[in-house]
Amino acid sequence: NAGVTQTPKFQVLKTGQSMTLQCAQDMNHNSMYWYRQDPGMGLRLIYYSASEGTTDKGEVPNGYNVSRLNKREFSLRLESAAPSQTSVYFCASKLEPSTGELFFGEGSRLTVL
Amino acid sequence: AQSVTQLGSHVSVSEGALVLLRCNYSSSVPPYLFWYVQYPNQGLQLLLKYTSAATLVKGINGFEAEFKKSETSFHLTKPSAHMSDAAEYFCAVTDGGATNKLIFGTGTLLAVQP
Repeated sequence: NAGVTQTPKFQVLKTGQSMTLQCAQDMNHNSMYWYRQDPGMGLRLIYYSASEGTTDKGEVPNGYNVSRLNKREFSLRLESAAPSQTSVYFCASKLEPSTGELFFGEGSRLTVL
Repeated sequence: AQSVTQLGSHVSVSEGALVLLRCNYSSSVPPYLFWYVQYPNQGLQLLLKYTSAATLVKGINGFEAEFKKSETSFHLTKPSAHMSDAAEYFCAVTDGGATNKLIFGTGTLLAVQP
């Protein structure tokens, strides 16, 4: 029972490089989310997808793009990485309608030099 | 806009002592409230949630939290700390919007001393 799977788990980039973080869930959940976690700041929402075919900006969307490829997969792309994007990224999913409970992946640690 | 405040970014207790982690929310509508735990190098796991049923909510690993509307609080407690409770704890509240997105507090790192 995999739940929410994120790849890669670790990545080091140089400033200006691009990369895509992949996320897949096998729980048949409708909505999916990307958060970033930084020390002292908790989790901040980057983008979310309430259902297949829709995406919306969260609190900190600048510098990111997303794609809801199908119901299972939701990817996060950094087109031109910056040191400020060094963070731990978490993907999460939720069944709708629901009381809001999120199920999280194990995180992807990204360092931008 | 909804917000969550966790008082104390670091809390240290002795093994066997009471654990109290504080969470206050701002809300103009009845919220759903959550506590998540994050162990080192792992994702977040749900500890417990309040969804407008009983105000005292019991979760996993002996944790519980009480919803107090008059104080807009949802503090997390455990009567007796165990070394394995050392982790970071996050309080979260639904934003009241159509999709019930979660807004997280900044987290409290719990250390348990032997």
